[in-house]
Amino acid sequence: GESVGLHLPTLSVQEGDNSIINCAYSNSASDYFIWYKQESGKGPQFIIDIRSNMDKRQGQRVTVLLNKTVKHLSLQIAATQPGDSAVYFCAENRGTGRRALTFGSGTRLQVQP
Amino acid sequence: SQTIHQWPATLVQPVGSPLSLECTVEGTSNPNLYWYRQAAGRGLQLLFYSVGIGQISSEVPQNLSASRPQDRQFILSSKKLLLSDSGFYLCAWSPSLSDTEAFFGQGTRLTVV
Repeated sequence: GESVGLHLPTLSVQEGDNSIINCAYSNSASDYFIWYKQESGKGPQFIIDIRSNMDKRQGQRVTVLLNKTVKHLSLQIAATQPGDSAVYFCAENRGTGRRALTFGSGTRLQVQP
Repeated sequence: SQTIHQWPATLVQPVGSPLSLECTVEGTSNPNLYWYRQAAGRGLQLLFYSVGIGQISSEVPQNLSASRPQDRQFILSSKKLLLSDSGFYLCAWSPSLSDTEAFFGQGTRLTVV
C-alpha cells in the first residue's frame, strides 16, 4: 500500500564517506527484498536484492543487510560519490500470492562535495 | 534484451478530461505488468497489476482503470480526471512465475489543471 506521511527523510553525507540507508518492513511473510535508486524525473532502477534466507549480500560498492528478527533492511554504499545522490527505496515482495512489490517511503541521499 | 516504453513523458490535462497512458514491453513474453503512482516527495503506490491478458487486479479504489489488450501492452485510463490524479505514473514489468525485481519505465508526469 501507499507510504503515507511527511516528506522524504534526507541523509546528507560527504563525498568519500560511507552511507547507510535504513528501511523497516512489517510483513514477516515477505521473502524477497530489493533496493531501488531513483534519480529526479526518472523511474526507479534496481540496485541490489536479497532473499529472506540470506543475511547479507554484496555488490559493487553496495551491501544489503537483512535482519529478519527486527524486520530491518539496510543499504550500505561505500565511498559515496556525487552520482549516488538520489532517492533510495526499499521494496518487499509479500509472498507469491500477490506478485507485486510494496515500496517503502524512500530516503533522499545528498552527497556533499 | 528486454525494454519497456512508456509515453507520454509529460502531460497536462484539464479537470474532467479523459486520460490514456500507454506502456509496452519488448523482448519478453507473458510479463507481469504494473502501474504505480508517485506523489511528489513520496513513495510508490501500486495502482494495478496484471498477470495476463485481460487480467487486472486493482489495489486501491480510485478514478482510474487499467486494461491489458495485448500480452505486452498495459494501458492506464480515466474517463474524467480529478485534480488529485496529478502525479508521476510509472509502468513496470517483471518476469512471470518468478519473484524478482520489477523493471520500470521512465514515467509520465501528469498535471491536472
